[in-house]
Amino acid sequence: AQSVTQLDSQVPVFEEAPVELRCNYSSSVSVYLFWYVQYPNQGLQLLLKYLSGSTLVKGINGFEAEFNKSQTSFHLRKPSVHISDTAEYFCAVSDTGTASKLTFGTGTRLQVTL
Amino acid sequence: DGGITQSPKYLFRKEGQNVTLSCEQNLNHDAMYWYRQDPGQGLRLIYYSQIVNDFQKGDIAEGYSVSREKKESFPLTVTSAQKNPTAFYLCASSNPSEKLFFGSGTQLSVL
Repeated sequence: AQSVTQLDSQVPVFEEAPVELRCNYSSSVSVYLFWYVQYPNQGLQLLLKYLSGSTLVKGINGFEAEFNKSQTSFHLRKPSVHISDTAEYFCAVSDTGTASKLTFGTGTRLQVTL
Repeated sequence: DGGITQSPKYLFRKEGQNVTLSCEQNLNHDAMYWYRQDPGQGLRLIYYSQIVNDFQKGDIAEGYSVSREKKESFPLTVTSAQKNPTAFYLCASSNPSEKLFFGSGTQLSVL
């Protein structure tokens, strides 16, 4: 079984500032890692995913994440945020055998202000 | 356009009543999922189905039931046995080893 820990429930940040949303996971097997974004009263959209290969993954809307196997982390970053990035962000993990059956973290609310 | 449709957007349940949430997809995906979202708890898997006429319990299946008679449809029934049904319910679908596509959700509240 896998588990995901998102260390920050809320992250306030000013527009155009950089941001990092933290995600740590635990698993006894190889994993796939994902970040999803949820805008108010909507479903989730995939931001980016790590399946294999380069540990630095680039996603949509200028986000990127780095897989660190030794630290079991998959932190999400953006060098300059916009007001429109205000949303809930979820980190998720699956084992490579059941890639679509995800375990989600509790989410981080990114609040961008002027 | 292809996608996942959840209905209704808002649903109210009276005590002792069963209610059914609809989820339809036209993406030709084999697998479909139901998640429950509570504030501060993220998403928890209720049921999932990887093929028609087959489904498995997720982490919090008690008080819920599903069916998968057609590839496109995966309705979720919240039974009277579910004592705390108020939550945001999300349906998702995918093909094996591919990303999940989510519907826009149903907010269920108890009257």
